Amino acid sequence: QSVLTQPPSVSGAPGQRITISCTGRSSNIGANYDVHWYQHLPGTAPKLLIYANANRPSGVPDRFSGSKSGTSASLAITGLQAEDEADYYCQSYDSSLSGSVFGGGTTLTVL
Amino acid sequence: QVQLQESGPGLVKPSETLSLTCTVSGGSISPNYWSWIRQPPGKGLEWIGYIYYGGSTSYNPSLKSRVTISLDTSNNQFSLNLRSVTAADTAVYYCARERVGATSAAFDIWGQGTMVTVSS
Repeated sequence: QSVLTQPPSVSGAPGQRITISCTGRSSNIGANYDVHWYQHLPGTAPKLLIYANANRPSGVPDRFSGSKSGTSASLAITGLQAEDEADYYCQSYDSSLSGSVFGGGTTLTVL
Repeated sequence: QVQLQESGPGLVKPSETLSLTCTVSGGSISPNYWSWIRQPPGKGLEWIGYIYYGGSTSYNPSLKSRVTISLDTSNNQFSLNLRSVTAADTAVYYCARERVGATSAAFDIWGQGTMVTVSS
């Protein structure tokens, strides 16, 4: 069982907006540690999508955005495209474990 | 740009030691944090631990008793040793660069990953 909780799956039609939640606790997200998001296509290396809650690395489209509030964070994808089909993971730091923790991952299906 | 490549045996026998190496190319191994992360089949990502270029380490408490991460600065490599493996250690193993800040750390560069199966 992962320290950070994500829904196992989400889906949306092309062009739509979806969000993926990531729920933590007082020792990680709630302790003001940043949340980062990764996009993972099977057989490839995970790609950093959002860092420090809401920042996009160079080259990531502005269709992807992140937010954080309290003990939770969210990833939003607007203008959904077929190429967005992937697994998405949130990640933060946990002070009780003294290390990085990941969510269980969310599989995005574009209908 | 910096690239990472994992290497090592794809098959390890139960109770033996899993050993992997990550080669850093296109940049220096210092001054950075270097991590190992794994993904068992059908499951999510699990952070194993990191080593700082100065030599300090931090490990996932669930693996701490069996893990050692070391650095070879002369060859721009870092390595993972996981002792007394079982079938539960079967996974894709990734090496990654960890960018540490004041309020967290993100993995901004990853290797392609290498599948390691624990089986007799």
